[in-house]
Amino acid sequence: GAVVSQHPSWVICKSGTSVKIECRSLDFQATTMFWYRQFPKQSLMLMATSNEGSKATYEQGVEKDKFLINHASLTLSTLTVTSAHPEDSSFYICSARIAGGQNTGELFFGEGSRLTVL
Amino acid sequence: GENVEQHPSTLSVQEGDSAVIKCTYSDSASNYFPWYKQELGKRPQLIIDIRSNVGEKKDQRIAVTLNKTAKHFSLHITETQPEDSAVYFCAASGTGRRALTFGSGTRLQVQP
Repeated sequence: GAVVSQHPSWVICKSGTSVKIECRSLDFQATTMFWYRQFPKQSLMLMATSNEGSKATYEQGVEKDKFLINHASLTLSTLTVTSAHPEDSSFYICSARIAGGQNTGELFFGEGSRLTVL
Repeated sequence: GENVEQHPSTLSVQEGDSAVIKCTYSDSASNYFPWYKQELGKRPQLIIDIRSNVGEKKDQRIAVTLNKTAKHFSLHITETQPEDSAVYFCAASGTGRRALTFGSGTRLQVQP
């Protein structure tokens, strides 16, 4: 099946610093990638939809200036958490669908990145 | 937008019994309904999915049913085993560029 790789798998940072998370589709092209956030014992909540070559679409309540998304190629999307604070500590998971005619609806998930802000 | 509700939030069964988890969705345009199993600290793993042109799908011990008219779908696990213990999420979406909307999750515990 299609593989999505996410890096880093875990990161610890100091409050006020920025953290970048990368999401790559390894064996398929993804014109659209989705970023989710999952707090402990909760569900996956969509943060934003990342579109290759255009601006990301953010869900209500998600600050676009705090969570910067760049989708510069058909295989790479990045999420940068700027000026991170302890309340940003969470599990961030990216996902992607295969572009074009092979799109079956299935989402392929990265391994997730656990962010801890001290 | 889409809203997916999932019940129960926790489910405890004896090994060998069946487990049923139910979800409802709000957007009649949704046509793809996957179920995921998530173990602690791991990514969600797709266990089965169904599309709106099908009413039921089965894969060994796992089955999913879909009632489009009522906008609900269910996961059935038969002959449960301790390794089935995990959190299960239902989800719904259209295809193309629409994201999945997840239910709130069900923590399944299979007692040996």
